[in-house]
Amino acid sequence: GAGVSQSPSNKVTEKGKDVELRCDPISGHTALYWYRQSLGQGLEFLIYFQGNSAPDKSGLPSDRFSAERTGGSVSTLTIQRTQQEDSAVYLCASSSTGIPREKLFFGSGTQLSVL
Amino acid sequence: DQQVKQNSPSLSVQEGRISILNCDYTNSMFDYFLWYKKYPAEGPTFLISISSIKDKNEDGRFTVFLNKSAKHLSLHIVPSQPGDSAVYFCAASGNTGGFKTIFGAGTRLFVKA
Repeated sequence: GAGVSQSPSNKVTEKGKDVELRCDPISGHTALYWYRQSLGQGLEFLIYFQGNSAPDKSGLPSDRFSAERTGGSVSTLTIQRTQQEDSAVYLCASSSTGIPREKLFFGSGTQLSVL
Repeated sequence: DQQVKQNSPSLSVQEGRISILNCDYTNSMFDYFLWYKKYPAEGPTFLISISSIKDKNEDGRFTVFLNKSAKHLSLHIVPSQPGDSAVYFCAASGNTGGFKTIFGAGTRLFVKA
């Protein structure tokens, strides 16, 4: 696609429910990243994919968070048993090869609100 | 630990004047620095970058300065325009043993007409 696409753009859920966030990167980009931005905070790294593998998942806050990528393209971030502190904007980005120093192309994000 | 710090949460500047956004980093392994700009309800977009082998990079109204000894960089926008009003994120990457780009907390710039 022309840009990084994320869905849904907004998600309101009840505490304890599971949510799935989807990211469709730029076609041909092998690297994919998930970040989140909590209110008043900067961009917090969650996980990095190179192809379908995740060599760096050091930013996932807890085992309630997981992510996968299939076909070297679409990625899904799953949050189980959501908590109020999970409320944030979840941003997906992709880059051409994933080498350090490459600029990232971001989607518009998913605003997650946990009530 | 915050490896990339933007200590000013906001900055207000008059149209036509210079905007200076500052950023400090702690990890000496960072060797590439980027600035991203973010409008509300949109993802960040790349603005300008600089390699650690340089101390200045200019692109139109935007110039980034890097002071490696002080582990400090700054973004200068001149002249500032109302359309520059956005949140600016400083970011760093390099041979840190990982692949991630580390972002600062952002500075919200207001350019008043």
